[in-house]
Amino acid sequence: DAGITQSPRHKVTETGTPVTLRCHQTENHRYMYWYRQDPGHGLRLIHYSYGVKDTDKGEVSDGYSVSRSKTEDFLLTLESATSSQTSVYFCAIRNNWGNTGELFFGEGSRLTVL
Amino acid sequence: DQQVKQNSPSLSVQEGRISILNCDYTNSMFDYFLWYKKYPAEGPTFLISISSIKDKNEDGRFTVFLNKSAKHLSLHIVPSQPGDSAVYFCAAPGGTGANNLFFGTGTRLTVIP
Repeated sequence: DAGITQSPRHKVTETGTPVTLRCHQTENHRYMYWYRQDPGHGLRLIHYSYGVKDTDKGEVSDGYSVSRSKTEDFLLTLESATSSQTSVYFCAIRNNWGNTGELFFGEGSRLTVL
Repeated sequence: DQQVKQNSPSLSVQEGRISILNCDYTNSMFDYFLWYKKYPAEGPTFLISISSIKDKNEDGRFTVFLNKSAKHLSLHIVPSQPGDSAVYFCAAPGGTGANNLFFGTGTRLTVIP
């Protein structure tokens, strides 16, 4: 199993509060991703990182920011959580470049925004 | 705009029979496809893949078929087992940057003992 740990695994928060989800990997993989999974949408990319301090937006990045100060950690921050951000969030990692590489996923963080 | 589509949200199959999960795509530039399997409260795990230069790839009980002219792929599971009950996502790499995976919406397979 790929060494990916997400924390917290479950969180309930109120609208307007900041939330940070953490992804920690022990594989020294270069590429890290944050996805959200919602019914009827599959998994959609929020942000990704291609190295320390190198990040870029995915297809559903509004309302989210990320930071990667170390190879092993990729943080996803909701500056002011909204109910539309209630979702299950998955971190993924990948080592190689190119289309044939697979992603390895963490176990997910379930976020409920009331 | 969904570039990878799974039109069947659920499928039920008797144990021992064949399960066929379908996936359609719109982007003819996709040259590689993957299937992921997801159990409840776990992250997706890679199952099988296929390059666009092939029309079939087999791994044990799992076979993926690709029909490029129809922009369609399917995952066959033979024989189906109760442990195969999960949500299956098809995916294709695309986009600039770090090679994002575009996922379908998933099909929940239930294998009935």
